[in-house]
Amino acid sequence: EAGVAQSPRYKIIEKRQSVAFWCNPISGHATLYWYQQILGQGPKLLIQFQNNGVVDDSQLPKDRFSAERLKGVDSTLKIQPAKLEDSAVYLCASSPTRSTDTQYFGPGTRLTVL
Amino acid sequence: GESVGLHLPTLSVQEGDNSIINCAYSNSASDYFIWYKQESGKGPQFIIDIRSNMDKRQGQRVTVLLNKTVKHLSLQIAATQPGDSAVYFCAEKTGNAGNMLTFGGGTRLMVKP
Repeated sequence: EAGVAQSPRYKIIEKRQSVAFWCNPISGHATLYWYQQILGQGPKLLIQFQNNGVVDDSQLPKDRFSAERLKGVDSTLKIQPAKLEDSAVYLCASSPTRSTDTQYFGPGTRLTVL
Repeated sequence: GESVGLHLPTLSVQEGDNSIINCAYSNSASDYFIWYKQESGKGPQFIIDIRSNMDKRQGQRVTVLLNKTVKHLSLQIAATQPGDSAVYFCAEKTGNAGNMLTFGGGTRLMVKP
């Protein structure tokens, strides 16, 4: 079974630029999560999707971050404009259903904002 | 790739010894707990989980202990191997919060050959 796929693996941008990350969850997984992991810290949930609907985006900085999962499969997370403090690893995870406890993580995208 | 946890607490053990990694969780209403292992440049990998109606659960070479009285979780790794070197995170879930996981700060385990 293929795992969660993410791209790109690394991205370097200047502050105030825009960036987008892509995630393809494990096939058949209805629930998709985006996390931000700042160096030296545990992952922090940004947004949770159930199929193509948002379940929880309470910790998403909506003035600059947006995410979509239009067809309920793959998802895109965008930052516009980026700030220095957005430098982090952005992790995507998926689970079969919203009530399934175990989340399976992708390798992450490491973002560096200069 | 760049290390995940440059400023994390570190536990250094000799190969073959047992390791104990501790975690204090914050929410007394949390009903599910997970330990994840994260190697450099990779996403977190599920190790073992436990529900709040249990106080101990064993897997292959790993045991998780839950003490709800003091809100403490521990991960025991038997016969630690070099491949166990990684950052370990505990995470908690509260039943009325969907499937939202709250992660702890992590501990780096270094295994000396």
